[in-house]
Amino acid sequence: GEDVEQSLFLSVREGDSSVINCTYTDSSSTYLYWYKQEPGAGLQLLTYIFSNMDMKQDQRLTVLLNKKDKHLSLRIADTQTGDSAIYFCAETTAGTGGFKTIFGAGTRLFVKA
Amino acid sequence: DAEITQSPRHKITETGRQVTLACHQTWNHNNMFWYRQDLGHGLRLIHYSYGVHDTNKGEVSDGYSVSRSNTEDLPLTLESAASSQTSVYFCASSATGDGYTFGSGTRLTVV
Repeated sequence: GEDVEQSLFLSVREGDSSVINCTYTDSSSTYLYWYKQEPGAGLQLLTYIFSNMDMKQDQRLTVLLNKKDKHLSLRIADTQTGDSAIYFCAETTAGTGGFKTIFGAGTRLFVKA
Repeated sequence: DAEITQSPRHKITETGRQVTLACHQTWNHNNMFWYRQDLGHGLRLIHYSYGVHDTNKGEVSDGYSVSRSNTEDLPLTLESAASSQTSVYFCASSATGDGYTFGSGTRLTVV
C-alpha cells in the first residue's frame, strides 16, 4: 500500500542548512506537503509542491521533488533555533473514493546554538 | 479570521466512560478529519468526512465514532474509553485538494 517514510532525527548547528528527506511510494501523487509541528501545537502547513514541479522556493525554504526516485526534500537555509520542531512530509493522491492524504512519521529537527 | 478549534485541550477520564471531543471550523471546508498522534506512530487517521452526513472510517477507527450534522462540526466520540486510547487527538479540515488546517489538539488521558 501507500507509504511515506522519513528519518526520525536530524541535528544541525545554528546558521547551517538543514535538509529533511522523505520518500513515498504512490506515483500518482498530486500534491506533496511539508508541515511543521512545534511542541504542544498542531501541525502547520509550511509549503507544498505540485507533482508536476521539480522545485519550489519560498524564502528560506526550498522543496525539491524527484519523481523518478519518489523522493522529496525540504532544505532550510540559515537554520535558526526557532526552526527546532517536528517536520512532516505528506502526499495527497486522487482515487475513486476522493483525495487521500498520507503523512510520514515526522523528522525531529534539533538546532544547536 | 477563520479558525479551527478543539475542545477541551486536556481531558482525563476513567476507563469505560463515553467521551466526546469537539472540533469546530469556520473555514467553510467540506473535508474534516480526526487523527491521533502517538510516539513512534506519527499521525494515524481515525475518521473523516467529505461533507454533511458523510462519514468514513480511517485506519484506526475501532472504538471511535463521528457524526457530521453541519459543515462546521465533527465531534469524535469514544464509546467506552480504554487506556489504549490515551493519546493526543488532532482535528483537521481542508478544501478538496488543498493542504490541511489543524487544530491545536486535545490531550486525552484514560485512567
